[in-house]
Amino acid sequence: DTGVSQNPRHKITKRGQNVTFRCDPISEHNRLYWYRQTLGQGPEFLTYFQNEAQLEKSRLLSDRFSAERPKGSFSTLEIQRTEQGDSAMYLCASSWQETQYFGPGTRLLVL
Amino acid sequence: GEDVEQSLFLSVREGDSSVINCTYTDSSSTYLYWYKQEPGAGLQLLTYIFSNMDMKQDQRLTVLLNKKDKHLSLRIADTQTGDSAIYFCAEMTGANNLFFGTGTRLTVIP
Repeated sequence: DTGVSQNPRHKITKRGQNVTFRCDPISEHNRLYWYRQTLGQGPEFLTYFQNEAQLEKSRLLSDRFSAERPKGSFSTLEIQRTEQGDSAMYLCASSWQETQYFGPGTRLLVL
Repeated sequence: GEDVEQSLFLSVREGDSSVINCTYTDSSSTYLYWYKQEPGAGLQLLTYIFSNMDMKQDQRLTVLLNKKDKHLSLRIADTQTGDSAIYFCAEMTGANNLFFGTGTRLTVIP
C-alpha cells in the first residue's frame, strides 16, 4: 500500500467557482478525516467519517463546505462559491485505530 | 476546550540533542502525538504516547509526558540536518479528532 493519496495536488481557481478534492485512504482504514492548514498554522479539523457515515461535521467552516464518502472508501471535499480566504492546504488522513496517517495535501489558491 | 501551545522556533547544532516542548489544556486527552512536516509536504507521524504513560523511546526519539502539568516533550538525539522541519504536537480527545499546536520550526545548523 502506498499510503493516503490526494488529488489534485494543486488547484488554482477564480473566486466564486466550485472545487472538489479527492482523497483515497489506506485500504482497510475505516476512518477518514479532513483538515485545513493555513500558512504558519497547524492543521484544523473539519470533518470525519467512519466507513460511509459522517460522524462529525460541525466544524466544517461554512455551509459552502461539504464532504462525502459514498462507499466507505474514497472521499471528496467540495467547496462551493470559493472565496480568497479558502486558500489553504487541505489535508486528508485515514486511520484504523488511534494513529492517523496523512496524505500529501491539496494546495488551493483562490484568485 | 482544546488548546495546544508550542514555541515557534528552535535552532540546534548538528549532533546536539533537540528538545521540543508542548503544553495542552484538555485533561481528557487519550493520546498525544508528534508529527513532522517538511516544506510543501503532508504530515509524517513520528511517534505517539498513550495518556497513562510517562515516557516512550523509539530509536533517536524520546517522548516525555507530564500529565499533571499537561506538558509533552520530544527529544531528538544526535540531531541531523535532515531533521530540519516543522514539528507539530497534537492531542486526541474522545471525539477521535486531532487538535494541533502551531508547530515548532527546528533548524539544524551544520
